[in-house]
Amino acid sequence: AQSVTQPDIHITVSEGASLELRCNYSYGATPYLFWYVQSPGQGLQLLLKYFSGDTLVQGIKGFEAEFKRSQSSFNLRKPSVHWSDAAEYFCAVGAPEYGNKLVFGAGTILRVKS
Amino acid sequence: DSGVTQTPKHLITATGQRVTLRCSPRSGDLSVYWYQQSLDQGLQFLIQYYNGEERAKGNILERFSAQQFPDLHSELNLSSLELGDSALYFCASSPRGVDEQYFGPGTRLTVT
Repeated sequence: AQSVTQPDIHITVSEGASLELRCNYSYGATPYLFWYVQSPGQGLQLLLKYFSGDTLVQGIKGFEAEFKRSQSSFNLRKPSVHWSDAAEYFCAVGAPEYGNKLVFGAGTILRVKS
Repeated sequence: DSGVTQTPKHLITATGQRVTLRCSPRSGDLSVYWYQQSLDQGLQFLIQYYNGEERAKGNILERFSAQQFPDLHSELNLSSLELGDSALYFCASSPRGVDEQYFGPGTRLTVT
């Protein structure tokens, strides 16, 4: 069965600083991987996805993520954080053989200090 | 705006009651997913439909059921409601059922 671990429940960074949110997954085959962002009271917005190919994927809002099969990781990065990036971030793994139902991590709450 | 719509936005009801949550997928998307988000369980997959047929099932209680109609909108029915059913219920859609999912704004259900 798939599982996703986001080891950091909360992260605080200064505006303008770089950001890395960690995600580790467990899945027997080649995974579909996703990062979503949720602002308070809002739905989930897709930031980026990995299906295959280039292991460094670019997303919206200046985010990128790198798939590392050897480490079973899919960490999210941003070179310079803006105050508007404060939100909760979810990593998810999809199982295409099961209709691609998503298994989500517990989420990381990002706080940005000015 | 993802293009996925959900109604109602908020729902307050009493224990033992039955409610129906409605979802309209993005134009052209054939697959609809339902997820439950609660503080203790996080985001949990409930059920998926593809072009009217059930495709995958997750941790969905027997008191819950869903369907997808010919116009591709979907409804999630929750019956014999308990306090623990209070949660945010999200619908998501995807074009072919094996690609990225786009989430609606959610329905916040409060059971009192």
